[in-house]
Amino acid sequence: EAQVTQNPRYLITVTGKKLTVTCSQNMNHEYMSWYRQDPGLGLRQIYYSMNVEVTDKGDVPEGYKVSRKEKRNFPLILESPSPNQTSLYFCASSFGQGGTEAFFGQGTRLTVV
Amino acid sequence: AQTVTQSQPEMSVQEAETVTLSCTYDTSESDYYLFWYKQPPSRQMILVIRQEAYKQQNATENRFSVNFQKAAKSFSLKISDSQLGDAAMYFCAYRSGGSQGNLIFGKGTKLSVKP
Repeated sequence: EAQVTQNPRYLITVTGKKLTVTCSQNMNHEYMSWYRQDPGLGLRQIYYSMNVEVTDKGDVPEGYKVSRKEKRNFPLILESPSPNQTSLYFCASSFGQGGTEAFFGQGTRLTVV
Repeated sequence: AQTVTQSQPEMSVQEAETVTLSCTYDTSESDYYLFWYKQPPSRQMILVIRQEAYKQQNATENRFSVNFQKAAKSFSLKISDSQLGDAAMYFCAYRSGGSQGNLIFGKGTKLSVKP
């Protein structure tokens, strides 16, 4: 089954404690990205990757890091989480062409206290 | 930079009736794609319908159809014969036609369906 898998689905952590949200896709997609969803703001892109070892900033990259060492995996790293990073996070993947469907993970609800 | 605007934060429709959700966008590009995504309470993002900018014909998927007005940069979603399962958050999204285009989302419209 084609899917994007995010883990964990729920996470509560404390300010400053490093965390990683994993994302894996089984569709051999080149393009992967991370979004955060906040009430009244829709989804905003954090980082994206065009292929292995190619990553770039989206609209709200501050406080986040990513890596793309393998085509299927695209983890999101919060080195020192802060309460303003409390949000719902989505990983998405697609083929590179603009018209192709983006597949989304199930979402990760992160709370930083 | 491209922007997507959904002017209706919330909408309500009676079961079996028709509802239209509005979306406008701003771009100087000629090659792009438009999408409507549904997000039910499960939070899963589900693609509802897709429109290629170069196609004049409006896309349809069963009870879902769009009214694509390229000159006006408008992309509304019509849901016919609304069902309780249509209750969700709906997001309009834009993507450039090139290989480096990322999805740009509107802020969403929350649709309620009354029995």
